Amino acid sequence: GAVVSQHPSWVICKSGTSVKIECRSLDFQATTMFWYRQFPKQSLMLMATSNEGSKATYEQGVEKDKFLINHASLTLSTLTVTSAHPEDSSFYICSAKRGEGETQYFGPGTRLLVL
Amino acid sequence: GQQLNQSPQSMFIQEGEDVSMNCTSSSIFNTWLWYKQDPGEGPVLLIALYKAGELTSNGRLTAQFGITRKDSFLNISASIPSDVGIYFCAGPDHGGATNKLIFGTGTLLAVQP
Repeated sequence: GAVVSQHPSWVICKSGTSVKIECRSLDFQATTMFWYRQFPKQSLMLMATSNEGSKATYEQGVEKDKFLINHASLTLSTLTVTSAHPEDSSFYICSAKRGEGETQYFGPGTRLLVL
Repeated sequence: GQQLNQSPQSMFIQEGEDVSMNCTSSSIFNTWLWYKQDPGEGPVLLIALYKAGELTSNGRLTAQFGITRKDSFLNISASIPSDVGIYFCAGPDHGGATNKLIFGTGTLLAVQP
């Protein structure tokens, strides 16, 4: 099967600091990776779509300068939450797919708590 | 925009019971996906449906793609405690060129041993 990992699995940080979350496709090359955010008892909400070697496409209402996405290789995408605040505390999940029309495979998620 | 509504929102059942949940939309979808999310984990794909009327099984799970292409249901037979989790339906966003997914509101399933 297709395996996607995320690191770290959880992180606690102080308000105002930046946090980087990694998403890796372990056994396949991912042309596209997606970043989702999930608040407690809510569904997954897409934040941005990232294609290798190009700029990410952000969903309406998601600040691109606050949530920096880098998709530098076909197996790695990173999400950096800059100047994190308590309201950024959430469960961040990435997914990856091989190509157009392919199934998305999800990572295990990263729980962020901003104090 | 497109929305997927799931019902029921939550279910609490006894082990061994059968479960049925559904997902409806006001617009047509060409693909229906059913995912399960365990607590603190990412979603895992259970079943994918690509054709109106299609009925697909995966072990104790059965899902159907509605004829109108505006709904889908998921059945779980003979539930067991490890079926606990949140079940999401999902479908591709018609407006997106990269097949981004829209997720339903979710159905929380609790199974009493």
